[in-house]
Amino acid sequence: DGGITQSPKYLFRKEGQNVTLSCEQNLNHDAMYWYRQDPGQGLRLIYYSQIVNDFQKGDIAEGYSVSREKKESFPLTVTSAQKNPTAFYLCASRPLGQGSGYTFGSGTRLTVV
Amino acid sequence: GDSVTQMEGPVTLSEEAFLTINCTYTATGYPSLFWYVQYPGEGLQLLLKATKADDKGSNKGFEATYRKETTSFHLEKGSVQVSDSAVYFCALSESGANSKLTFGKGITLSVRP
Repeated sequence: DGGITQSPKYLFRKEGQNVTLSCEQNLNHDAMYWYRQDPGQGLRLIYYSQIVNDFQKGDIAEGYSVSREKKESFPLTVTSAQKNPTAFYLCASRPLGQGSGYTFGSGTRLTVV
Repeated sequence: GDSVTQMEGPVTLSEEAFLTINCTYTATGYPSLFWYVQYPGEGLQLLLKATKADDKGSNKGFEATYRKETTSFHLEKGSVQVSDSAVYFCALSESGANSKLTFGKGITLSVRP
C-alpha cells in the first residue's frame, strides 16, 4: 500500500545535538512538506519542496534544515540552533495540482532531555 | 496572507448530538478548502474537501459547504458517535504550483456515551 512513513515514532535529543527525522513516501508525489505541531497552536510549516533538489522555507524555518535528493525522501534535521525543539513533527506529501489533498505521515514526537 | 480561523474549543457532546464546528478563512485568490481529522498520537487524515464555491464535501456523515459569500466552511454532522472524538483542523490551499496548506488551530471534540 502506498503511503508516507515517518521514523522514528519517538525521538529523544540531548541539548546541543542535531537530530534527523526521516520521511519517505511511495505515492510518487511531487511535493513534500514538514509541519510542526504544538498544543493550541495548530500546525506550522517548517519547509517544503516541490521538486527534487529544490526546497523553500516555511513560516518557522530557523533552526531546521532539509534536503531533497530523491523524490521519495525529505529528511528534516533539527539543529542545536532550534531553541525549543520539543514538539510533534508531521511530514506530508501531495501531487501537484489544484485541490489535491495532502497525505500525512503518522508523525515523530521529539523530546529534548 | 492567508489565514484560517476556527471556533474556540474544546467541544464536548453527548452521543447522537448534532455537531457544528465553525471555520472562516481569508485568502487572496480562490482556495481549495479542507477538513482534516487527527486521532490521538496519529497524523492527520483528510476528512473532506471542496474546491470551488457552493461545493459540498462529505464523508463518514460529515459535511461542509464552501461559502464564498461568507468565506466559511463549517463542518457538520447530524449524529456524532464516541468514535468521532478527535482533533479537527480546517485548512485552505491556494491554487498555483507553489501553494501550501494553511491550517486553523484545530478543535478537540469529545463525545461521551
